[in-house]
Amino acid sequence: DAKTTQPTSMDCAEGRAANLPCNHSTISGNEYVYWYRQIHSQGPQYIIHGLKNNETNEMASLIITEDRKSSTLILPHATLRDTAVYYCIVRVTGTASKLTFGTGTRLQVTL
Amino acid sequence: GAVVSQHPSWVICKSGTSVKIECRSLDFQATTMFWYRQFPKQSLMLMATSNEGSKATYEQGVEKDKFLINHASLTLSTLTVTSAHPEDSSFYICSARDPIGHSGNTIYFGEGSWLTVV
Repeated sequence: DAKTTQPTSMDCAEGRAANLPCNHSTISGNEYVYWYRQIHSQGPQYIIHGLKNNETNEMASLIITEDRKSSTLILPHATLRDTAVYYCIVRVTGTASKLTFGTGTRLQVTL
Repeated sequence: GAVVSQHPSWVICKSGTSVKIECRSLDFQATTMFWYRQFPKQSLMLMATSNEGSKATYEQGVEKDKFLINHASLTLSTLTVTSAHPEDSSFYICSARDPIGHSGNTIYFGEGSWLTVV
């Protein structure tokens, strides 16, 4: 699976949009971009994933560049409960495909 | 999203004893489950991939005789830490792949289990 690069940490004011970037310049054509987050002392929570089209669900939006070498996770109205470590992972969605976690981005949402 | 449950949430055991952690997929059948370990302030490290009805595949450096994995049904995988030592104290997290679901092949995680060996 391709490697990803994320900023170590970011801050965001409550109520504002949080834009978390991810670089995956070596992504292969059959690899999806997945986003998970881990709130302190809990298991990771699935947020969203996409292949090449932008995706939106009740939690977030995922914007993937046309060349697929980078993406941005958008939390439209961040709250204090969104404070967590966010992981961007690229993965082939095959039966044996696993998730390999990097260091992620620690998002701190402040008042 | 799909639900994966782990039990126990936390456990304290004496050095030299064994402890079992259960991972269940509650609303889907998981042919593949994964076990991770996470030390404080570190990222998740994959320990092994558990396939229903067959032997688990362990990552390099993970002792298969120490970390016994059983995946006897499509909804249950267990991790047994044998002859536990204080250095095995960690946060153990399981995950399961939902092969169908609305997000086909998405992997969902359990709540994690804290193991403290004293």
